Amino acid sequence: AQSVTQPDIHITVSEGASLELRCNYSYGATPYLFWYVQSPGQGLQLLLKYFSGDTLVQGIKGFEAEFKRSQSSFNLRKPSVHWSDAAEYFCAVGVSVFRLEAGTASKLTFGTGTRLQVTL
Amino acid sequence: GAGVSQSPSNKVTEKGKDVELRCDPISGHTALYWYRQSLGQGLEFLIYFQGNSAPDKSGLPSDRFSAERTGGSVSTLTIQRTQQEDSAVYLCASSPGREYTNYGYTFGSGTRLTVV
Repeated sequence: AQSVTQPDIHITVSEGASLELRCNYSYGATPYLFWYVQSPGQGLQLLLKYFSGDTLVQGIKGFEAEFKRSQSSFNLRKPSVHWSDAAEYFCAVGVSVFRLEAGTASKLTFGTGTRLQVTL
Repeated sequence: GAGVSQSPSNKVTEKGKDVELRCDPISGHTALYWYRQSLGQGLEFLIYFQGNSAPDKSGLPSDRFSAERTGGSVSTLTIQRTQQEDSAVYLCASSPGREYTNYGYTFGSGTRLTVV
């Protein structure tokens, strides 16, 4: 079964500093990979996604992520963090599962999240 | 509507009571998902609806949990005889269709359920 590991539960960075959030996945086939952000009291917003092709993907809000198959990783980066980036970040792997009674389901398996704190 | 709407935003209930959580997906989105987010946990898949197909219920944790989707639109997640371990944020998401586009989830803001 697929799984996602986010080894850092909580990270604190200073505003203007660079950021890297780690994500490792376990999945037998080529994964579909995602990063979501959740601000307090809000739903999850998609930052970026990787399906195939260029292993460096650009997302919204200045974020990028790099898929490294050899390391089973999909780390999220931002060159300069803003105070408004404080939130919880979730990495996810997408899996297509076929069930006879329900057709093809596209399910996301999420990591446990990394809470980012930004100090001024 | 413009986004996925969930109601209520907060629900406090007594142990043993039944609760209903509602999700209004984006108009035209054929796929609808329910996830549960517990404190310190990731998001746990509960159930998936695609169009008029039978739902994928493989993530429902017990038979106290059920969900339906009426007219291919609004969905209701029902938890019977609530237990304290059911306390969590329940998130609903919808997406336009199958395969690649299915991953374009839009999440609602969730319902925070507290069982006391």
